[in-house]
Amino acid sequence: EDQVTQSPEALRLQEGESSSLNCSYTVSGLRGLFWYRQDPGKGPEFLFTLYSAGEEKEKERLKATLTKKESFLHITAPKPEDSATYLCAERAQGGSEKLVFGKGTKLTVNP
Amino acid sequence: DTGVSQDPRHKITKRGQNVTFRCDPISEHNRLYWYRQTLGQGPEFLTYFQNEAQLEKSRLLSDRFSAERPKGSFSTLEIQRTEQGDSAMYLCASSLGSGPETQYFGPGTRLLVL
Repeated sequence: EDQVTQSPEALRLQEGESSSLNCSYTVSGLRGLFWYRQDPGKGPEFLFTLYSAGEEKEKERLKATLTKKESFLHITAPKPEDSATYLCAERAQGGSEKLVFGKGTKLTVNP
Repeated sequence: DTGVSQDPRHKITKRGQNVTFRCDPISEHNRLYWYRQTLGQGPEFLTYFQNEAQLEKSRLLSDRFSAERPKGSFSTLEIQRTEQGDSAMYLCASSLGSGPETQYFGPGTRLLVL
């Protein structure tokens, strides 16, 4: 069964302190690896889609990378407004269109 | 582009009552999805439609849950005889049905069953 594991569960950074979030997935024929940002009480906001190992995408201080078994979300020089829960999801195998989400990493950036 | 909208944003009900939520997808999107999210967890898939056809349902979707998308536009999710375990955020998403297939989420409906 599809499974997505994110680590760490929570991460506290000082403003400007770069770090990475990890997402491990199990599906053998990946049909898309997705990153979302979720603020408290709101719906997930789309960030990136990655399809093949070696692919990278960037947006402002965020960069997502993909290997054959995991994805990383790199946060460079974070600001307090980057504080949120970051969710990783894979599209399920077997022709399903559903997304299978991890539990997320709660990021707090202190000023 | 107004994005995915959901109504109501919050709902408090008593155990045993029926509730109905509405989702309006992005206008040109033909796929619509429902997910449920509890505190500290990622969203869990419930069901999805392509146009008006319901193509997939999760085992999480008990007989008390029913979803419709009658004209391939907006969708409703009804929960009958609510239980305290139904308390969660109910999220709707939509996608174009072709190309990159990114799912865009609405703001969610927060349900509290007392």
